[in-house]
Amino acid sequence: KQEVTQIPAALSVPEGENLVLNCSFTDSAIYNLQWFRQDPGKGLTSLLLIQSSQREQTSGRLNASLDKSSGRSTLYIAASQPGDSATYLCAVIGSGGGADGLTFGKGTHLIIQP
Amino acid sequence: DAGVTQSPTHLIKTRGQQVTLRCSPISGHKSVSWYQQVLGQGPQFIFQYYEKEERGRGNFPDRFSARQFPNYSSELNVNALLLGDSALYLCASSLLGPRAEQFFGPGTRLTVL
Repeated sequence: KQEVTQIPAALSVPEGENLVLNCSFTDSAIYNLQWFRQDPGKGLTSLLLIQSSQREQTSGRLNASLDKSSGRSTLYIAASQPGDSATYLCAVIGSGGGADGLTFGKGTHLIIQP
Repeated sequence: DAGVTQSPTHLIKTRGQQVTLRCSPISGHKSVSWYQQVLGQGPQFIFQYYEKEERGRGNFPDRFSARQFPNYSSELNVNALLLGDSALYLCASSLLGPRAEQFFGPGTRLTVL
């Protein structure tokens, strides 16, 4: 059974800092990995999707990397802003057809101090 | 283009009642999935439908059921509600099937009293 762990559970940093969020998964047989952002009480916003054959993806100030063999992904946020404050969720989908849906971590709660 | 829409936004029910949640996918998306998110946890997979057929089911009791209509919208039904069913129910759609990028709706907040 796939398990996804996100470290740290919470993070508070001053505005302007670069930061790294970590995600690990136990079964390396994944089809893709997706990073999401969730604001309090809201739905999920897709940030980046990395296919299993890719090593990284970039969107603006965000960069996500994937090391499938070691079961790890990182989300790098450059020049953080107060608007980046949210919970960041990592999710994987298995390579066996997707019938098990996405498996999520518990998320990293990020606070950017003005 | 409109994103994934869900209705209602909030719902309050009592134990033992039944509830129906609705989801409209992004136009052109044929895959719809349902997730349950309890406070402080990541979403848990409930069901997936693709081309109107159930393609996957998570570890939820038979009180949970779903269906997808010819226009690709979907309903999630929960019978005999328990206090533990209180959660944010999220719907996601994707263009190319269950393994493609998932786009989520705003969710329905269900409170069971």
